[in-house]
Amino acid sequence: DTEVTQTPKHLVMGMTNKKSLKCEQHMGHRAMYWYKQKAKKPPELMFVYSYEKLSINESVPSRFSPECPNSSLLNLHLHALQPEDSALYLCASSQEGGVLYFGPGTRLTVT
Amino acid sequence: AQSVTQLDSQVPVFEEAPVELRCNYSSSVSVYLFWYVQYPNQGLQLLLKYLSGSTLVESINGFEAEFNKSQTSFHLRKPSVHISDTAEYFCAVTEPHYSGGYNKLIFGAGTRLAVHP
Repeated sequence: DTEVTQTPKHLVMGMTNKKSLKCEQHMGHRAMYWYKQKAKKPPELMFVYSYEKLSINESVPSRFSPECPNSSLLNLHLHALQPEDSALYLCASSQEGGVLYFGPGTRLTVT
Repeated sequence: AQSVTQLDSQVPVFEEAPVELRCNYSSSVSVYLFWYVQYPNQGLQLLLKYLSGSTLVESINGFEAEFNKSQTSFHLRKPSVHISDTAEYFCAVTEPHYSGGYNKLIFGAGTRLAVHP
């Protein structure tokens, strides 16, 4: 099983709202990732967690706050977003040094 | 620093024709190479990977890619495409970070494959 699940599939939020994106994998992977993808562009790395510790933050604005409660779950907390943050948010996971498996993504629209 | 260049932003092709999507990378060390496919309104699916061993890798749906170290290329080919192959294809490279336990993928800009009847 190489499935990464993400909820919700779609999210519409106002600029003053607080919301969270959730990602889950049960493959025993110890690395989990958040990517942001704008239309017609490749995914851009935001955060990497390895063994539940934040390993990479690609200078992401503080209105995005990641959290890794345990080795199977990854959250992305959103607060005071801007319309330009509207995008597809992809979660991925991997074994140590292995292939990244992506979830279906959450389509976020900020109004 | 690593980088990936996908030489064609769009590739139109007729059904049952062969296709090649080109990918070149730059890196000073050994790498892992990948092709991912993204269908409309979906996430990325792994299509092919080169980690080590045979330089020719194949997928279950007829795609193949060949790692050419001297030309730093990892071109994707299919001898006969179907309408259902219409999608965005991303080439990606990473240097294994064994000590960190993760891989930092660098993606190319993507190639839009449009298969016409």
